Amino acid sequence: AQSVAQPEDQVNVAEGNPLTVKCTYSVSGNPYLFWYVQYPNRGLQFLLKYITGDNLVKGSYGFEAEFNKSQTSFHLKKPSALVSDSALYFCAVREGQAGTALIFGKGTTLSVSS
Amino acid sequence: DAGVIQSPRHEVTEMGQEVTLRCKPISGHDYLFWYRQTMMRGLELLIYFNNNVPIDDSGMPEDRFSAKMPNASFSTLKIQPSEPRDSAVYFCASSLRTGNTEAFFGQGTRLTVV
Repeated sequence: AQSVAQPEDQVNVAEGNPLTVKCTYSVSGNPYLFWYVQYPNRGLQFLLKYITGDNLVKGSYGFEAEFNKSQTSFHLKKPSALVSDSALYFCAVREGQAGTALIFGKGTTLSVSS
Repeated sequence: DAGVIQSPRHEVTEMGQEVTLRCKPISGHDYLFWYRQTMMRGLELLIYFNNNVPIDDSGMPEDRFSAKMPNASFSTLKIQPSEPRDSAVYFCASSLRTGNTEAFFGQGTRLTVV
């Protein structure tokens, strides 16, 4: 069965500093990995995904994520955090075949202070 | 396309009443998902459809919950009778056929059962 773990409920970072939001996954086959962001009272917005190829994936709003197969991780990163990045971030996995649903982690609240 | 459209945005109902949540997926998307978000359990997959056919409803919590997709442009999630512990934000999402594509989320329906 697929599963996703986000070990940190909250991440605090100062504006301008780099940020990392951690995610590990478990699937029986090849994974498709996704990051979403949720702002208050809004739906989830897609940020980026890893399908295959380059382990470093670039996405929206300056975010990127690094896929590490040996550590089964897909951490979200940004070189310089903005106060406006403060939101709830979800990592999700879909096993590498058509027809399966996205399974989400519990989410990590990112708080960027000015 | 206007994206995934859910209605109502907010619903307050009394315990024991029937509640119906509605979703219009993005045109051309073959998959439709219903998720529930709570503080305690995060984002849980309830059920998903492929070409209007339910594929996996193992996440539906009880027989009080039912979902239908009578055509490619409409789905409902019904709770009958509703209970206070059903209070949550319910999201509908849709995606294209292939497994490596992201899902697009609606704005959600915030359900409060009093």
